[in-house]
Amino acid sequence: DAGVTQSPTHLIKTRGQQVTLRCSPKSGHDTVSWYQQALGQGPQFIFQYYEEEERQRGNFPDRFSGHQFPNYSSELNVNALLLGDSALYLCASSWTGSRYTEAFFGQGTRLTVV
Amino acid sequence: AQTVTQSQPEMSVQEAETVTLSCTYDTSESDYYLFWYKQPPSRQMILVIRQEAYKQQNATENRFSVNFQKAAKSFSLKISDSQLGDAAMYFCAYRSGAYTGTASKLTFGTGTRLQVTL
Repeated sequence: DAGVTQSPTHLIKTRGQQVTLRCSPKSGHDTVSWYQQALGQGPQFIFQYYEEEERQRGNFPDRFSGHQFPNYSSELNVNALLLGDSALYLCASSWTGSRYTEAFFGQGTRLTVV
Repeated sequence: AQTVTQSQPEMSVQEAETVTLSCTYDTSESDYYLFWYKQPPSRQMILVIRQEAYKQQNATENRFSVNFQKAAKSFSLKISDSQLGDAAMYFCAYRSGAYTGTASKLTFGTGTRLQVTL
């Protein structure tokens, strides 16, 4: 079991550009959540996808959007990048079949905006 | 909205000793879960221990145990017989027990960096 995999591991983008981050959930999981972790901070919830729909959303602007594919993998898109978007982006997957589900995290994508 | 507070930015413990990391939270809900996650330099969040709010008994996982004080909204983590591999960032997290088809989001504290010395 490969667990939760994220790509790429590191990324450098220029202010104003757009970026796409990818996540493959753990085998058997059908729900994907995305978190932003700024340096020295705890992760902040961006949004959650289940059945290819956004189910929950945190306090992030519309520049942050996502998608979930039929195979449960997910993408996080950020448009018009700002310097403040520089952070570690974490993907977490879980199984909706149980309310006691545990979230498994990937190793994250380190995004640097210059 | 729920909040999670970790007031210890850094802690240090000698190998084989015991250390306690503190966490307080604020919520108006009665059904929720609390977690401690470990984040080593590899960046991957690893679940250390979980506690269901409706359970009075404190959770224990090998060398890791919690002191859950529901009335005081306190959730501390005790690491016994500390090992060099325990060095990492530790995050306390809250999740609502409300279930609307998918599990609720995790709300994290700001973390405590644990150093383990020889």
